[in-house]
Amino acid sequence: EAQVTQNPRYLITVTGKKLTVTCSQNMNHEYMSWYRQDPGLGLRQIYYSMNVEVTDKGDVPEGYKVSRKEKRNFPLILESPSPNQTSLYFCASSLLGLAPFFGPGTRLTVL
Amino acid sequence: KNEVEQSPQNLTAQEGEFITINCSYSVGISALHWLQQHPGGGIVSLFMLSSGKKKHGRLIATINIQEKHSSLHITASHPRDSAVYICAVRSEAAGNKLTFGGGTRVLVKP
Repeated sequence: EAQVTQNPRYLITVTGKKLTVTCSQNMNHEYMSWYRQDPGLGLRQIYYSMNVEVTDKGDVPEGYKVSRKEKRNFPLILESPSPNQTSLYFCASSLLGLAPFFGPGTRLTVL
Repeated sequence: KNEVEQSPQNLTAQEGEFITINCSYSVGISALHWLQQHPGGGIVSLFMLSSGKKKHGRLIATINIQEKHSSLHITASHPRDSAVYICAVRSEAAGNKLTFGGGTRVLVKP
């Protein structure tokens, strides 16, 4: 089954404790992206990747890191999480120029 | 002003009614997407449009490139259509990047 998986789905953590949210797709898509969704602000892009070893900042990259060592995986790293990073996070993948497939979302709470 | 504006923000309909959601954008685009987000949170792509009209079941999406406007119609609405509908555009200048509207929350009552 074609899908984008994210883990964990839910996470409660404390300020400053490094965490990684994994994202994996099985569709051989070149393009992968991370978004955060906040009430009243909609979906905003954090980082994206056009292909392996090619990543770039989106609209709200501060406080986040990503890597793309393999085509299927695109982890999101929060080196020192802060409460303003409490949000619902989505990973998505697509072939270039085509419709995105979204992961199920990760609800993160930073205390 | 946001690049992508949706209206209305919220919509309540009775089962069976015809629903229209509007999306206006201010940039040149290569494609427009309609997405659906159910209360559980998952997001699915409904349509990708670059011109004209597409239909899938009871859903119809149209786009007018000259007017920079798109509509999503739901015919014979059903309670399972209750969701947030999100318009997103891929601008000509920004490659594969999507810019999202704020979403329209639709509630269909039985």
